[in-house]
This record gives sequence, C-alpha cells and structure tokens, in this order.
Amino acid sequence: GENVEQHPSTLSVQEGDSAVIKCTYSDSASNYFPWYKQELGKGPQLIIDIRSNVGEKKDQRIAVTLNKTAKHFSLHITETQPEDSAVYFCAASTIYNTDKLIFGTGTRLQVFP
Amino acid sequence: EAQVTQNPRYLITVTGKKLTVTCSQNMNHEYMSWYRQDPGLGLRQIYYSMNVEVTDKGDVPEGYKVSRKEKRNFPLILESPSPNQTSLYFCASSFDRINSPLHFGNGTRLTVT
Repeated sequence: GENVEQHPSTLSVQEGDSAVIKCTYSDSASNYFPWYKQELGKGPQLIIDIRSNVGEKKDQRIAVTLNKTAKHFSLHITETQPEDSAVYFCAASTIYNTDKLIFGTGTRLQVFP
Repeated sequence: EAQVTQNPRYLITVTGKKLTVTCSQNMNHEYMSWYRQDPGLGLRQIYYSMNVEVTDKGDVPEGYKVSRKEKRNFPLILESPSPNQTSLYFCASSFDRINSPLHFGNGTRLTVT
C-alpha cells in the first residue's frame, strides 16, 4: 500500500525567510496530494492541494511542487510570518482507492520574529 | 457556520469502561472519517463512511466501532478502552470521497488509565 514519508519533523526559520517541507510517496498510482495545516488546539485545515497532471501550484505565499518521476512533492512557504507557525501534514491518495488518504508524520514549523 | 463538531474535547476514563465520542457535521457531506493522531505517527485512519449505513475499516480499526444511522452523525465507540487507545482523535467530513477537501473537527483528547 501507499506510504508517505515527510521531512523534516521540525523546522525553525526567521520571519521573512522561506520554509520548505518535503514528502515522498511509494505508490506510483498516487494522483492527489493535499497539504494540511494544524494550529494549536485545532483540527487540520486544507491549505493547498495538487493533482498529478500538474507540476506546480501557487496560492499567494504558498506553493506546492510535484515530481512524479522521483515520487516526491514539496510545500514552499515564502516570506514566512509568525502566524505560519503550526504543524503541517502532507498526504496522498491513489487513483484506485479514493476513499483513503495517507498522511505523512507531520512537520512542526516555528517562525521566530 | 459550516463545521464538524466533536464532543467531548477532553475525556479521561479507565480501562474497560465503554465510551462514545460524538461527531456531527452540518454540511450535508456524504463522506465521514475518524483519525487518531499520535506523536511521530501522523494521522491514521480508523474507520470511514461513504454514506448512511455504509462503513469500512481504515488502517487501525482494532478496538473501535462506528455507526452511520444518519448522514450528519458518525459516532466513534470504544467498547472496552485500553491504555494504547490514549490519543488525540479527529472526525472529518468531505463532500464526496477523499479528493474533496476534508473538514476536520477540533479533536478529542482521550486518556485511558
């Protein structure tokens, strides 16, 4: 079955710097890759997603890139702000099992003022 | 306001005492799911439901039961809780299947002593 690995587990950056979180997946049939942000005391919230027919997607300061050959996808946050501090989860689902989303183990991002 | 509501937020119980965590969504979503979140393990799916009276096992279903008698409600039942079920639990819903954004509740922190 699908396995998703996420790195790093913790990431500290200075406000204004960029942050990059990387995930690799095992199943080449994976076709949907969302990213969720979990703030303290809350449930995860979708921030951006990408499908396998697209190589990159941007939404203001957030972008996701997908490399299907290498089977990895990354979240890029530019001009980080203290409110970006949270736990971020990547996830993947396959074309033959759209009922199941496999999550990575999470990255705790801390943005220092 | 569109939301997924879980109750209770915190629960401390003893081994073997049956408990139910409720989950309700007001978005008329067909898909609902339960996850547990543990340090270093990310989010793991317990059970999911595609519609009323349709439920299926996720990756870690042992020790849990669910029911979907109404579209809006999806309770998680622990018939005989054990300490290894101490965890943070999240209910989530989406319009249809996994490729629609998942909306999460704010979580239930369960401690079994």
